[in-house]
Amino acid sequence: GQNIDQPTEMTATEGAIVQINCTYQTSGFNGLFWYQQHAGEAPTFLSYNVLDGLEEKGRFSSFLSRSKGYSYLLLKELQMKDSASYLCAVRVWAAGNKLTFGGGTRVLVKP
Amino acid sequence: DTGVSQDPRHKITKRGQNVTFRCDPISEHNRLYWYRQTLGQGPEFLTYFQNEAQLEKSRLLSDRFSAERPKGSFSTLEIQRTEQGDSAMYLCASSPTGEETQYFGPGTRLLVL
Repeated sequence: GQNIDQPTEMTATEGAIVQINCTYQTSGFNGLFWYQQHAGEAPTFLSYNVLDGLEEKGRFSSFLSRSKGYSYLLLKELQMKDSASYLCAVRVWAAGNKLTFGGGTRVLVKP
Repeated sequence: DTGVSQDPRHKITKRGQNVTFRCDPISEHNRLYWYRQTLGQGPEFLTYFQNEAQLEKSRLLSDRFSAERPKGSFSTLEIQRTEQGDSAMYLCASSPTGEETQYFGPGTRLLVL
């Protein structure tokens, strides 16, 4: 099976930067995803990493180190609307492309 | 393209009743997934379809749960003899072959009294 760990909750100030870490233990790793989920809504895709390194998309960046089983999501220039849960998910080979999610990190942005 | 849609959005039922949920994936997405999410947790995989074929089922999917995708388009998830532990958000996602990203619908929130 897969074991995915991420912090439960983080608080940051509007305009600041927050880094959400995710560690995983799995065999047959085939990609790591980050999703954003506002309360009561569906997860929405943010980023996908399958190779080591940094992927940047506007205010959001995601990093992956496969050898360390580690990823982070970096949120820059935080806005109030960024208050949400951020889900780390791993895909493995021969698993029908299903995703295994961590418990999510709830980020609270304060003014 | 209107995205993944699910119906109903909310369902309240009494313990022991049967419920059925529907998912309409994004047009031409041949992969369809069902997940379940409880409060404060990440989604948990339930089952996966490639076109009309159900290729994988989680151990979470007890005998009371059944899913179909008869024509390879929409899918239904039925829960028989519901229990209070079935209360959760049921999420559907779809993706086209060759693309990694799964796109989620708004979910059906089930409350079993």
